[in-house]
Amino acid sequence: DTGVSQDPRHKITKRGQNVTFRCDPISEHNRLYWYRQTLGQGPEFLTYFQNEAQLEKSRLLSDRFSAERPKGSFSTLEIQRTEQGDSAMYLCASSLILATQETQYFGPGTRLLVL
Amino acid sequence: DQQVKQNSPSLSVQEGRISILNCDYTNSMFDYFLWYKKYPAEGPTFLISISSIKDKNEDGRFTVFLNKSAKHLSLHIVPSQPGDSAVYFCAASDNQGGKLIFGQGTELSVKP
Repeated sequence: DTGVSQDPRHKITKRGQNVTFRCDPISEHNRLYWYRQTLGQGPEFLTYFQNEAQLEKSRLLSDRFSAERPKGSFSTLEIQRTEQGDSAMYLCASSLILATQETQYFGPGTRLLVL
Repeated sequence: DQQVKQNSPSLSVQEGRISILNCDYTNSMFDYFLWYKKYPAEGPTFLISISSIKDKNEDGRFTVFLNKSAKHLSLHIVPSQPGDSAVYFCAASDNQGGKLIFGQGTELSVKP
């Protein structure tokens, strides 16, 4: 399967713990996005990378959140000192930017539950 | 500020009939629109897209219509099949590329 993969698929943690999620994009894609989805809502943009450069961060991304894409391939999203409000589905998407319009392809998501 | 709105949380359609899902947007800078389908516990799956220079795009049973003056787009599925039952999201991006702005989703149920 050459689609976007995410690991882990599920994570349960206690409030105050740190968690890290990984995303492997489609191999030739140069853009990678992170979104968060809560129940009854559409995905909300968090941040994105073009190759290894982080080009935009949402104000939703507090200083407890950090994302990296060190070699322009896989990416990690870390949440420090988790809070119950961080419980959500974290989605990764990738795309190949050739012009200004692009189609993003999503992974299966990582569902986080903070107790 | 909800820039992309799907005002119908749910829609029920009989198998074989047409399903019409609607989406409204407020940002006139949006120039690319996409529809995604999502099953529970899975990520969104890309269905079809349309550029603002077009008013219609068709792919098999799926057709997307764009009315720029009304800032409205719709997804038509014909004929509807039980396997189409899922949550459908519309999304938009502006001419800078990058992030997608999603609507809240419409849950489609196609009954045999």
